Amino acid sequence: AQKITQTQPGMFVQEKEAVTLDCTYDTSDPSYGLFWYKQPSSGEMIFLIYQGSYDQQNATEGRYSLNFQKARKSANLVISASQLGDSAMYFCAVVSIQGAQKLVFGQGTRLTINP
Amino acid sequence: EAGVAQSPRYKIIEKRQSVAFWCNPISGHATLYWYQQILGQGPKLLIQFQNNGVVDDSQLPKDRFSAERLKGVDSTLKIQPAKLEDSAVYLCASSSPDSQETQYFGPGTRLLVL
Repeated sequence: AQKITQTQPGMFVQEKEAVTLDCTYDTSDPSYGLFWYKQPSSGEMIFLIYQGSYDQQNATEGRYSLNFQKARKSANLVISASQLGDSAMYFCAVVSIQGAQKLVFGQGTRLTINP
Repeated sequence: EAGVAQSPRYKIIEKRQSVAFWCNPISGHATLYWYQQILGQGPKLLIQFQNNGVVDDSQLPKDRFSAERLKGVDSTLKIQPAKLEDSAVYLCASSSPDSQETQYFGPGTRLLVL
C-alpha cells in the first residue's frame, strides 16, 4: 500500500518569500512517481511538477522545484518568490509506474500568501 | 488543447435520489479516472478505465455507485440512491498513453446531498 503524509495543515507566508511544503511518502513499489498538484478555491486540480523515482536530478518547473530525498522518502515542494495567486491547497501524491497508475494523495496543505 | 470537461459543476439532491455526472477527457487520452474528494481530504480513486475497460474499481461502493465508458471516450458516474456521506467533489482525470503517470484533472462536480 502507498501512503502520503503532509504534516502542515496550513502555512502563512509573506509575498515574495520562498516556501517549502513538506511531503513524506511510503511505498513498496520499486518504481514510482511523485506529484504535486495545486487546488485553488475553484476546485480544479492543477498539475505542478513530477519526479520519477529513478530521476537523478530534482525536478524544476519555473518557480516550482521538488526537493527529492529518496533515502528519507521525502518530496518537498519549494515555491520561490511566492505570489498572491499561489494561495491554494497543495496536494502531494504518489503513483506506481507499473500496473494500474492510481494516484494516492495526502491530506493537503493550505498555503496563504500575505501581501 | 481543450482540457478535461465535466458537467454539471454543481448538484444538490435529497438523500435516496439518484444523480449522474459526465466527463469528457482530453482528446487521445486512453485512461480515465474518477476520484471522490470529501471536504478537507485529498482525492480518493473510485474507478479507473483503460479505453472502455475497467482497470481498478476496488474502492467503488458498487451497491450504489456505477460508472461506464461505453465507447472509450466520455464517461458517466452514477449514484443511486445517494446518501448524505456522498456529499463531495467528484473529479475526473485523464492521462495519455505516452505519459500515463501524469493525470490531468477536470474542474470537478460539487455534490451536496441533503
